[in-house]
Amino acid sequence: GAVVSQHPSWVICKSGTSVKIECRSLDFQATTMFWYRQFPKQSLMLMATSNEGSKATYEQGVEKDKFLINHASLTLSTLTVTSAHPEDSSFYICSAHEGGSWQETQYFGPGTRLLVL
Amino acid sequence: DQQVKQNSPSLSVQEGRISILNCDYTNSMFDYFLWYKKYPAEGPTFLISISSIKDKNEDGRFTVFLNKSAKHLSLHIVPSQPGDSAVYFCAASGGSQGNLIFGKGTKLSVKP
Repeated sequence: GAVVSQHPSWVICKSGTSVKIECRSLDFQATTMFWYRQFPKQSLMLMATSNEGSKATYEQGVEKDKFLINHASLTLSTLTVTSAHPEDSSFYICSAHEGGSWQETQYFGPGTRLLVL
Repeated sequence: DQQVKQNSPSLSVQEGRISILNCDYTNSMFDYFLWYKKYPAEGPTFLISISSIKDKNEDGRFTVFLNKSAKHLSLHIVPSQPGDSAVYFCAASGGSQGNLIFGKGTKLSVKP
């Protein structure tokens, strides 16, 4: 089955630094990737939708200058949390959409836990 | 190894009937379960959740049942409507991290 990976799986950083999270579709080409943020025991919050080769579409309330998304290829999207603060500590999960498949479903990555000190 | 399994990739139901989507999990540390609904080319949207201290949670046409001894949960939609046609993901969380583990989804088709 389709596999989506994320790297790193967890990261601890100091306040004010930037952190980059990678999302890769390993065995299929993903025209669309989604980035989510999830707080413990709460549902996912969609942050943005990224399409290969174009600018990401951010959900209302998500700062595009703080959460930089790049989808440079059909198998890789990156989320950069710039000038991270403790309130950015969360679990970030991506998913990749494989268009044209029987269910047009998307496959979720394992997530990245970010802790900002 | 999949910790959350949705063994039926697809389900077809007649409008007005009940849709039952199933999900099995293997990790006994999971204590919170969610169902997401996803339309093509869109992100999933949260549908309903249940805590492990309950065995049933109902919200309108949607009811989630949890059987902890069997490590099984199900989502019932009644009556089913054509607008319910989507892919449904089961997700679970638990332990110290609280991150979500998703199943691979079941595509529901509700025929008029």
